[in-house]
Amino acid sequence: DAKTTQPTSMDCAEGRAANLPCNHSTISGNEYVYWYRQIHSQGPQYIIHGLKNNETNEMASLIITEDRKSSTLILPHATLRDTAVYYCIVRFLGGSNYKLTFGKGTLLTVNP
Amino acid sequence: EAGVTQSPTHLIKTRGQQATLRCSPISGHTSVYWYQQALGLGLQFLLWYDEGEERNRGNFPPRFSGRQFPNYSSELNVNALELEDSALYLCASTITGGEETQYFGPGTRLLVL
Repeated sequence: DAKTTQPTSMDCAEGRAANLPCNHSTISGNEYVYWYRQIHSQGPQYIIHGLKNNETNEMASLIITEDRKSSTLILPHATLRDTAVYYCIVRFLGGSNYKLTFGKGTLLTVNP
Repeated sequence: EAGVTQSPTHLIKTRGQQATLRCSPISGHTSVYWYQQALGLGLQFLLWYDEGEERNRGNFPPRFSGRQFPNYSSELNVNALELEDSALYLCASTITGGEETQYFGPGTRLLVL
């Protein structure tokens, strides 16, 4: 799986959009971009994933650049409960690629 | 729909004892993955069970073992506990093995004294 680079930490004001960037310049054509988050001492929570097109669900939007070398996770209206470590993962789906590997992620702190 | 559940939430053991951790996957999911998340070490893959069979294991000693039951729930056993086994143990499930999105449970926090 390709490596990802994320900022160590970010701050966001409550009610504002949180935009979390991720660089994955070595991504290959059949690798997906996945986002998880982990609130302190809890299990990771799946947020969203995508291949080429932008994706949106009830939690967030995922914007992938046309060259697929970077992406942005958008939480449209951040709340205090969105404070967590956010992990961007690039993952090849197929074969026996079964295990997830998280990097250090971005600690997002939502401030009141 | 209920998510992945794990029990117990916390477990305190002493060195040399055995620990048993349990996981129930999302209804309809047949694959279960176990991970260890120790402080500062990130997510480490432990075991993968699918349809009752062990499909793969990570780089952990044999005292880490488990099984998957006919109802697809799973158990992780850690024998001869060592201090460094203290960690958050996470279970994830998928509809089928390998390719699908993994959904995690809340974890079991194991403390070895």
